[in-house]
Amino acid sequence: DVKVTQSSRYLVKRTGEKVFLECVQDMDHENMFWYRQDPGLGLRLIYFSYDVKMKEKGDIPEGYSVSREKKERFSLILESASTNQTSMYLCASSRKRQVLWLAKNIQYFGAGTRLSVL
Amino acid sequence: DQQVKQNSPSLSVQEGRISILNCDYTNSMFDYFLWYKKYPAEGPTFLISISSIKDKNEDGRFTVFLNKSAKHLSLHIVPSQPGDSAVYFCAVQQGAQKLVFGQGTRLTINP
Repeated sequence: DVKVTQSSRYLVKRTGEKVFLECVQDMDHENMFWYRQDPGLGLRLIYFSYDVKMKEKGDIPEGYSVSREKKERFSLILESASTNQTSMYLCASSRKRQVLWLAKNIQYFGAGTRLSVL
Repeated sequence: DQQVKQNSPSLSVQEGRISILNCDYTNSMFDYFLWYKKYPAEGPTFLISISSIKDKNEDGRFTVFLNKSAKHLSLHIVPSQPGDSAVYFCAVQQGAQKLVFGQGTRLTINP
């Protein structure tokens, strides 16, 4: 069974703190993603990685960085947390899509980390 | 510029009736469309999908319709059950590896 595990369900941090969100998948997937979910805005892509040590910016990368040292683990880092980063953070993984047309690419999600920055 | 829009933030339906969730997209080059379902305190889970060469895909109580000329996608749930109460996201495949999600629609099924 597919499993994406996020290390924390709830986190409370103070403004200016460095925050690490960890994600581990056990499906040997090449791709991993970090999203944030906010009311009325849906899921917005922060960063994704298509291979170890590779990363690509998503739609809202400002204030975030990522690290992928091992295939199964993808970390999201908030260098200096701010109140506008209070959100639900979701990690996902998927196989690398080899056929680039008419082949679906399902992403599997973790349960999410609800981060509050005070 | 939002590429995927779900214009209804919420929808309330009576148990046993049909639920219809809608999604509009902007790029006619998208080749695959997916629906995800999300319960509170859980991550989204894949529900059903459709490729751009089809106009309908059915899986039990769930059917997805694609109208390419209108760039419109809809999810039908018949009959609706209380366990269907959740947030539903439509998503389109963008490029080789990414998905772009809509804003979500909160579906509530009333007994």
